[in-house]
Amino acid sequence: EDQVTQSPEALRLQEGESSSLNCSYTVSGLRGLFWYRQDPGKGPEFLFTLYSAGEEKEKERLKATLTKKESFLHITAPKPEDSATYLCAVPGNTDKLIFGTGTRLQVFP
Amino acid sequence: NAGVTQTPKFQVLKTGQSMTLQCAQDMNHNSMYWYRQDPGMGLRLIYYSASEGTTDKGEVPNGYNVSRLNKREFSLRLESAAPSQTSVYFCASGQNSRGKQPQHFGDGTRLSIL
Repeated sequence: EDQVTQSPEALRLQEGESSSLNCSYTVSGLRGLFWYRQDPGKGPEFLFTLYSAGEEKEKERLKATLTKKESFLHITAPKPEDSATYLCAVPGNTDKLIFGTGTRLQVFP
Repeated sequence: NAGVTQTPKFQVLKTGQSMTLQCAQDMNHNSMYWYRQDPGMGLRLIYYSASEGTTDKGEVPNGYNVSRLNKREFSLRLESAAPSQTSVYFCASGQNSRGKQPQHFGDGTRLSIL
């Protein structure tokens, strides 16, 4: 069964304290992995697409990496404005996106 | 550039009432989607439209109907609302339905059924 699991469910960081969020997946034949950011009361905002193992993408303090079984979202020296829920998603066998339940990140000054 | 626009933003209904959620996108995307988001369950696909003139069921279609009015607009209808349909509903659009391109989301409709 196609599945996406994100960990941890919640993460509290001090401003400047770097960390990583994990997204593991079980689908046959990965055709891409997407990271989104979701702020309270808003819809998911697209961040990155990764297509193949070894690929990396960066945006400001965020860097996404991909292996054959999981993806990491590394947050370097986070700021309070990085606080949000981060979602990952992969296309399943029916081509429809399967979403994880997200990691809720809180960054304190 | 508005992207994906959903109306209304909030709605409270009584059990058995009907309503239609509206969605429009201005990105010239072919595919459109309706999801619901519930605590601890992630985003679940209700219905989608791969292209103008086509619609298909997603993971949780029961109790809902959709209409792809034209390339820009995709509406979701609840014919007889039930408390289990209390949720946040998101509309999304994408270049195609093959899953290789990202989807872009609206800001949601928060729906409460009493």
